[in-house]
Amino acid sequence: RKEVEQDPGPFNVPEGATVAFNCTYSNSASQSFFWYRQDCRKEPKLLMSVYSSGNEDGRFTAQLNRASQYISLLIRDSKLSDSATYLCVVNVVSNYQLIWGAGTKLIIKP
Amino acid sequence: SQTIHQWPATLVQPVGSPLSLECTVEGTSNPNLYWYRQAAGRGLQLLFYSVGIGQISSEVPQNLSASRPQDRQFILSSKKLLLSDSGFYLCAWARGDREVIEAFFGQGTRLTVV
Repeated sequence: RKEVEQDPGPFNVPEGATVAFNCTYSNSASQSFFWYRQDCRKEPKLLMSVYSSGNEDGRFTAQLNRASQYISLLIRDSKLSDSATYLCVVNVVSNYQLIWGAGTKLIIKP
Repeated sequence: SQTIHQWPATLVQPVGSPLSLECTVEGTSNPNLYWYRQAAGRGLQLLFYSVGIGQISSEVPQNLSASRPQDRQFILSSKKLLLSDSGFYLCAWARGDREVIEAFFGQGTRLTVV
């Protein structure tokens, strides 16, 4: 089992739709969680940190379920510019590594 | 504010040639530093990480090496490149003094070994 697993994708979604990404992690000692966005041939960029209480930033909502070891990212009213690969990242604070999911590619169609 | 510089942006090298990629961070001290490689259409593979000067941890045995000669400088090297070394190389830094350690990336180096 992979340490961090994401939906394989790609997701082809019409503009304006709501899209949800799922991510599961295997290490129950994981303490920090993030969503990154990576545009084609570019470096990953931090989109959101994920907090236990859930957090929202405009059209983006991230949630964490520690009991199920599950993280989600919801994008509402999707825009063409949201097309990218979304990466789920998990950190176990006792070591210095970030464990990356393989990413889910999102394609927003007009 | 903190910035990370990585160069060159693209590189084409013949098989068997040496490699040196450099990464520097500004605006912070004692960062954790990382080298990743990403094959086309794949996820990030951690190659090396460093929590301090001269401290290097290797995740994947291969013909690459890393060094951290200064606090905010991280270098990825190879003595002889293989075709399989082609890929997108990313340097990243994270704060070393906080529990929530988001990573921030340089622009990456796209290496093609021919």
